[in-house]
Amino acid sequence: GQNIDQPTEMTATEGAIVQINCTYQTSGFNGLFWYQQHAGEAPTFLSYNVLDGLEEKGRFSSFLSRSKGYSYLLLKELQMKDSASYLCAGLDSNYQLIWGAGTKLIIKP
Amino acid sequence: GAVVSQHPSWVICKSGTSVKIECRSLDFQATTMFWYRQFPKQSLMLMATSNEGSKATYEQGVEKDKFLINHASLTLSTLTVTSAHPEDSSFYICSARSLEREGPYEQYFGPGTRLTVT
Repeated sequence: GQNIDQPTEMTATEGAIVQINCTYQTSGFNGLFWYQQHAGEAPTFLSYNVLDGLEEKGRFSSFLSRSKGYSYLLLKELQMKDSASYLCAGLDSNYQLIWGAGTKLIIKP
Repeated sequence: GAVVSQHPSWVICKSGTSVKIECRSLDFQATTMFWYRQFPKQSLMLMATSNEGSKATYEQGVEKDKFLINHASLTLSTLTVTSAHPEDSSFYICSARSLEREGPYEQYFGPGTRLTVT
């Protein structure tokens, strides 16, 4: 079966760095997405990785290892507004997104 | 760019009535649109995938006669919840995908519609 695993909740301090891990098992693989979702709002796109390695985009970076079925989202210089759920989603061979349950990130001052 | 709108943003209806939710891609043609449902503190659950001009493909466990999807044009898809019941109360989100845009597999999400059935 297809499965996306990520931690349910994480807590970090404002100004610090946090890494949110995601492991995936999909039928075929066409890339991995990270989305940010604030409470009561729709998800917004953060990153897309299809090749191994680290993609940096401002304070956010995303890493992919296809051989390990593993990705992480790295958030630097955390701000209070980064408090949200972070959704990992794998794109399978049918180009359908398989969603993780999301990681709720709590930022403390 | 890549803006998707939904209307209404929230709706309250009585049990037994039907509710229609519209999803529009404002600045691109959406070859594929997706409808999701999200219950509180849970992740997105894909309900159905629709391609313009063809019947929607429903996920297992989603009643196609209850959740009617029409993808009539490349910029508009509608979801009609028929004979709504309180358990249908949820956050409904649509997303759209276009082969024209850079990153063709990215889904652009609408702002969501919160449905409350009393």
